[in-house]
Amino acid sequence: QVQLVESGGGLVKPGGSLRLSCAASGFTFSDYYMSWIRQAPGKGLESVSYISSSSSYTDYADSVKGRFTISRDNAKNSLYLQMNSLRGDDTAVYYCARGTRDTSGWLYFFDYWGQGTLVTVSS
Amino acid sequence: QSVLTQPPSVSGAPGQRVTISCTGSSSNIGARYDVHWYQQLPGTAPKLLIYGNNNRPSGVPDRFSGSKSGTSASLAITGLQAEDEADYYCQSYDSSLSGYVFGNGTKVTVL
Repeated sequence: QVQLVESGGGLVKPGGSLRLSCAASGFTFSDYYMSWIRQAPGKGLESVSYISSSSSYTDYADSVKGRFTISRDNAKNSLYLQMNSLRGDDTAVYYCARGTRDTSGWLYFFDYWGQGTLVTVSS
Repeated sequence: QSVLTQPPSVSGAPGQRVTISCTGSSSNIGARYDVHWYQQLPGTAPKLLIYGNNNRPSGVPDRFSGSKSGTSASLAITGLQAEDEADYYCQSYDSSLSGYVFGNGTKVTVL
């Protein structure tokens, strides 16, 4: 069965850095587009970043552009999110999610999600 | 302010039918991009409920159905059950923002 397990969250001071990881299993990781989606405490969902199956394409929400970097290692079935210059409004649960193409053939929906890892940015 | 607008809450008695609207614009739902729906039970990760406007993944009861028209989409839950108490989010793509967008979420309460 498909499993996505995030790790790497924790408490970090403003301006600090953190690297999140997502270990995938139960499917051919290298065939799938992957995404990070976050949820601030008591708030809704926000798409943070996504990466194509071969890493040839990445994109970021404006709120994290220039500070976060998404990457993947298909040999290790792993997805990463390097977060630098962290701010208070980055505090959230970060979910790793698998993307599957929708009827357009070039857009995606998120069919499997990990359990999330909490990132708290506070002094 | 979310690009896709949902009512903050809806409620219904067990067995009733409730609907959740997701209102967008010409740069997302109105541009004919697919709408997808997710269910988030308390304290858990979101789970895919409806994809491609009206398709259910295997294992999702047929009490859940989706529809889309113009710049809006809807999720209907018929035969409401206690275990349906959760937050529900719609999702689509927005060409003006060049990214995936979610609705603000709707909390369903079973009375």
